[in-house]
Amino acid sequence: DQQVKQNSPSLSVQEGRISILNCDYTNSMFDYFLWYKKYPAEGPTFLISISSIKDKNEDGRFTVFLNKSAKHLSLHIVPSQPGDSAVYFCAASDGGTSYGKLTFGQGTILTVHP
Amino acid sequence: NAGVMQNPRHLVRRRGQEARLRCSPMKGHSHVYWYRQLPEEGLKFMVYLQKENIIDESGMPKERFSAEFPKEGPSILRIQQVVRGDSAAYFCASSPLSGAPNYGYTFGSGTRLTVV
Repeated sequence: DQQVKQNSPSLSVQEGRISILNCDYTNSMFDYFLWYKKYPAEGPTFLISISSIKDKNEDGRFTVFLNKSAKHLSLHIVPSQPGDSAVYFCAASDGGTSYGKLTFGQGTILTVHP
Repeated sequence: NAGVMQNPRHLVRRRGQEARLRCSPMKGHSHVYWYRQLPEEGLKFMVYLQKENIIDESGMPKERFSAEFPKEGPSILRIQQVVRGDSAAYFCASSPLSGAPNYGYTFGSGTRLTVV
């Protein structure tokens, strides 16, 4: 039962262009969403998050959009840089529980070409 | 301020042996979470512990797997009688607060377990 899905296994983008990574979820109890970046042989690194009471959160080149009615969120990276090449995971937290148990998507491999 | 330390980074075990994975949380963090990443998949929650207590083990396989977080020392994930399907990357995360994935929730670099 995959409650968080990233349907694009990979994405290739030219340097300077926009990267858009998508994520869908099925559990309506999720109320906090996060994006993590992961390099090979390293642990996930927190990138940006959004609460379900918002529809947009921006941090520098990274913006996360949340569409609750569609149960969909997306991460926009503008402009994309070669150093952004990594695996990106979307994760969700159920605020009904009292602990930070995260449910992850399968990940999207982003490649930014110079 | 050292991050979350996991050791060993790589562990090779023969089928039937025991695997012990260690996680030392960041200083001041009393909440530890273990996740497993199978090849080509995302991370899957296994267990959440506080000092000397297992809070949620809903993601742990029913047999062969156990976890502890003693009053002193690192958290340990123990896998008995390993099988090839246990080969995966095991990640630990720690946080200073419960239910705060956006606040100081930090992952270690993981232990890559290979069962031969």
